Amino acid sequence: EAQVTQNPRYLITVTGKKLTVTCSQNMNHEYMSWYRQDPGLGLRQIYYSMNVEVTDKGDVPEGYKVSRKEKRNFPLILESPSPNQTSLYFCASSFLTPSTTDTQYFGPGTRLTVL
Amino acid sequence: AQSVAQPEDQVNVAEGNPLTVKCTYSVSGNPYLFWYVQYPNRGLQFLLKYITGDNLVKGSYGFEAEFNKSQTSFHLKKPSALVSDSALYFCAVRAHNAGNNRKLIWGLGTSLAVNP
Repeated sequence: EAQVTQNPRYLITVTGKKLTVTCSQNMNHEYMSWYRQDPGLGLRQIYYSMNVEVTDKGDVPEGYKVSRKEKRNFPLILESPSPNQTSLYFCASSFLTPSTTDTQYFGPGTRLTVL
Repeated sequence: AQSVAQPEDQVNVAEGNPLTVKCTYSVSGNPYLFWYVQYPNRGLQFLLKYITGDNLVKGSYGFEAEFNKSQTSFHLKKPSALVSDSALYFCAVRAHNAGNNRKLIWGLGTSLAVNP
């Protein structure tokens, strides 16, 4: 089954304790992206990647890191989480054809609480 | 500035009645428009998209959307609502002038409640 998976689905942690949220897709997509969803603010892009070893900042990258060592994986790293990073996180992926109209497919989300 | 507006936080409809979830957009150039649905504790699921061509787009689960360029709208519709359609619906537009970034600009969502 074609899908985007994220782990963990739920995480409660404390301020300053490094964590990684994994994202993996099995559709051979070049493009991957992370969004966070917050009430009243909607979904905002954190980082994106055009392909292996090619990553760039989205609209709200502060406090986050990413890596793209393999095409299928795009982990989101919080080196020193803070309470304002409490949010619902979504990973997405799509092909990267020149038409720019490719549909993005989303993972199930990771609900993160930073105490 | 590019933006998407969903003017209704919540829409209530009786099962079997037609439903409409509204979306208006502001974007330079030709818009690429999307609808996604979010069920509780599940991810965002793609419903349909408008790229070009026929203004009426058909998608998953019997949903359709009508693109209206003059009104800059892309309303989601279904002729006969089901209780199982109750969910959070998001309209999104592909950002222009973002280079190769496939970033989507999102509305804040509309909660649809279909009553038995």
